[in-house]
Amino acid sequence: DQQVKQNSPSLSVQEGRISILNCDYTNSMFDYFLWYKKYPAEGPTFLISISSIKDKNEDGRFTVFLNKSAKHLSLHIVPSQPGDSAVYFCAASQNYGGATNKLIFGTGTLLAVQP
Amino acid sequence: KAGVTQTPRYLIKTRGQQVTLSCSPISGHRSVSWYQQTPGQGLQFLFEYFSETQRNKGNFPGRFSGRQFSNSRSEMNVSTLELGDSALYLCASWAGSGVNEQFFGPGTRLTVL
Repeated sequence: DQQVKQNSPSLSVQEGRISILNCDYTNSMFDYFLWYKKYPAEGPTFLISISSIKDKNEDGRFTVFLNKSAKHLSLHIVPSQPGDSAVYFCAASQNYGGATNKLIFGTGTLLAVQP
Repeated sequence: KAGVTQTPRYLIKTRGQQVTLSCSPISGHRSVSWYQQTPGQGLQFLFEYFSETQRNKGNFPGRFSGRQFSNSRSEMNVSTLELGDSALYLCASWAGSGVNEQFFGPGTRLTVL
């Protein structure tokens, strides 16, 4: 049972435009969501996160939106740069700030930013 | 501050052998989690250790085990290796409380022949 889904395996965007990566989840008990960026043969790099008590969080060019009623979150990158080309993973956890930290990952979206 | 380090970076083993992978978390972090990444299954949670105790475990067979030492360094062991164990094994470090950002190491690429 895939509790976190990224339905778009790939996305191609022109440099300078907005990239929107989407993620859906099924478990209503998830209370914290994270986005990671991953290059081949490297570990994931933390980008941005959001708790379920918020609906938006911004950090520079990255903004994450959370729609709890739709169990949907999205990552916006504005403006997109060629260096943003990587696989992006959405992850979710239960028990925010609590005693454990098991992350459930989506299958990833490969973003290609064209110069 | 140094990041998460994992050793070795690459490993080739044959079926039936066992393997031990090592992870050193970020200084001051008390929680270490292990994940397996394969093309077919994506990133899957193996287990989490906090203060030398296993705090959570994923759905993997008992051939996968781990431990954490008093300095927070962690090892994971896979016994009786199978071809399907070929994967990138990632270690993640977390302070152990508060917000849940985990920081990942570069991974160990295990190939089972």
